[in-house]
Amino acid sequence: AQSVTQLGSHVSVSEGALVLLRCNYSSSVPPYLFWYVQYPNQGLQLLLKYTSAATLVKGINGFEAEFKKSETSFHLTKPSAHMSDAAEYFCAVSEDPSNTGKLIFGQGTTLQVKP
Amino acid sequence: DAGITQSPRYKITETGRQVTLMCHQTWSHSYMFWYRQDLGHGLRLIYYSAAADITDKGEVPDGYVVSRSKTENFPLTLESATRSQTSVYFCASSDPGRVGETQYFGPGTRLLVL
Repeated sequence: AQSVTQLGSHVSVSEGALVLLRCNYSSSVPPYLFWYVQYPNQGLQLLLKYTSAATLVKGINGFEAEFKKSETSFHLTKPSAHMSDAAEYFCAVSEDPSNTGKLIFGQGTTLQVKP
Repeated sequence: DAGITQSPRYKITETGRQVTLMCHQTWSHSYMFWYRQDLGHGLRLIYYSAAADITDKGEVPDGYVVSRSKTENFPLTLESATRSQTSVYFCASSDPGRVGETQYFGPGTRLLVL
């Protein structure tokens, strides 16, 4: 069965510092991987996704993630954090090959940005 | 242009009562999903639907009932609410539900069961 592990439930960075949110997955087949962001009292919004094209994926708001098959990782990065990046971030993997479109989510990482 | 909406946004109910959470999408997406979000658990799938009149259980279906008579609506019913069902509930949709297709989420319903 597929699974997702996000390392660190809380990450705190200073404004302007590098953001690194870690995600490792378990999958017996080539995965499709997603990062979603959730701002307070809102639903989830897609940041970026990997669907077997380029291994370095660029998303919205300056975020990017790199798919590393050898490490079964899909870490999310941003070179310089902004206060507006404070939110909860979820990594997810698409369940394949059942082809239902279902997603398996990690537990989430709360990003705090300090001034 | 509404996208995906959920109602009510906030609900307080008592143990044993029946509660229905509504989800409506305007994109005619074939797939719809219900998740619950709890601290430490991320999002867990309750039920999903591939099309009208086709539904299937997710990871945590016990205590919930769904129906989908129309493509655009996917209500979630708690037949007899329990305190453990206090949570934030999210509805999502995707089209056509292929692997790798983006799911779009509603704003959520915060449910408190007393």
